[in-house]
Order: sequence, then structure tokens, then C-alpha cells
Amino acid sequence: AQSVTQPDIHITVSEGASLELRCNYSYGATPYLFWYVQSPGQGLQLLLKYFSGDTLVQGIKGFEAEFKRSQSSFNLRKPSVHWSDAAEYFCAVVGSGGGADGLTFGKGTHLIIQP
Amino acid sequence: DARVTQTPRDKVTEMGQEVTMRCQPILGHNTVFWYRQTMMQGLELLAYFRNRAPLDDSGMPKDRFSAEMPDATLATLKIQPSEPRDSAVYFCASGRDDNEQFFGPGTRLTVL
Repeated sequence: AQSVTQPDIHITVSEGASLELRCNYSYGATPYLFWYVQSPGQGLQLLLKYFSGDTLVQGIKGFEAEFKRSQSSFNLRKPSVHWSDAAEYFCAVVGSGGGADGLTFGKGTHLIIQP
Repeated sequence: DARVTQTPRDKVTEMGQEVTMRCQPILGHNTVFWYRQTMMQGLELLAYFRNRAPLDDSGMPKDRFSAEMPDATLATLKIQPSEPRDSAVYFCASGRDDNEQFFGPGTRLTVL
């Protein structure tokens, strides 16, 4: 069975500092990987996705993530955070077999931005 | 700007009552998912449909939950009877075969 681990429940970062959110996955074959962001009381917005090809993927809002197969990781990064980045971040995985399938999510990382 | 819509946005009900949540997927999407979010369990897949046919509902309590797609523009999730432990935010998402899923704003359910 597939699983996703986000080891950091909370992360506090100063505005303007760099950010890295960790994500490790467990899946027997080639996965599709996603990062979603959720602001309080809102739905989930897709930041970026990895299906195949270049292992460094660019997303919206200045975020990027790197797929490392050898480490089963898909960490999210941003060079300089803004106060508006404060939110809950979810990593998710799904199998790359034909057709859409349900996502398996990590527990989320709550990002706090200090002024 | 195509979006997934969900109604109601908030629902407060009493234990034992029937609850129906509705979702309108993005036009042209052939797959619809229902997820539940709680503090304890996080985001869990309840059920999903492809081309209106149920594919997997293993995440759903069968005795009280049911999910249907009466037509391509409407998906419903029913709980009967509702219990306090069903209190959660229920998300609908839609997508195509490329596995990118678009989420609705959610229905916040409170069962007293």
C-alpha cells in the first residue's frame, strides 16, 4: 500500500527566509507526486506535480520541488517566503497506472511565517 | 474559470438525521472523488467514480454512507443516519485520466 510521510507537523520561518518542506513516499512502482496548499477554511490548491521527466519541477507562487527516487523524497522548496505563504501544505502520491486514482495524502505541514 | 462547486458549504445537524452533500464537477472531467478531512485522520479517500461508475468505495463506511452520480454534472454523498464522529470537512475533487485533481471548497459538517 502506498503512503506519504511529512515528518514536520509545524515549521516556523521568518519572512524572506528560504523554505524546505519534507515529503517521503512509499510506493512500489513509479509514482505521481503532488504538493497542495490549503489556507484556513479553504479547499486544496495544487502547487505543482511530478509525473515524469525533469526531476526538478516548478510550480505556482514561486515553489519548486525535486523528485529523488533514491531517497523516495519529493521535498518542496521556496527561496524566499512571504507572509501570505502561511498555510497547511500537503504532499500526495498516486500510482502512475492508466486512469485516475485516489490520492494518498500526508498528514500535512503547518507553515508559520514570522515577521 | 472552471471550478468544482460543493453545496452546502456548512451543515449543522443532529445525530440521526440524514445529510446529503452535493458536488458539481468541472465540465469535461470524467472522474469524481470524495475525500474527508479530520484533525485526527487527515485527508482520506472515501470513494470515487469514473465515467459515473463507482470504482472504489473501500474508504467509506458502508452501513451509513452512500455515494452516487445521478448524471455527469452531479455527485452526491449521503450519510444516514449521521453520527457525531462524522463531523468533518468533506471535499469533492474532479479530474481526467491524467491524475491531476481539482478540489472544491468543501462542506463542513457538524453533527451534534
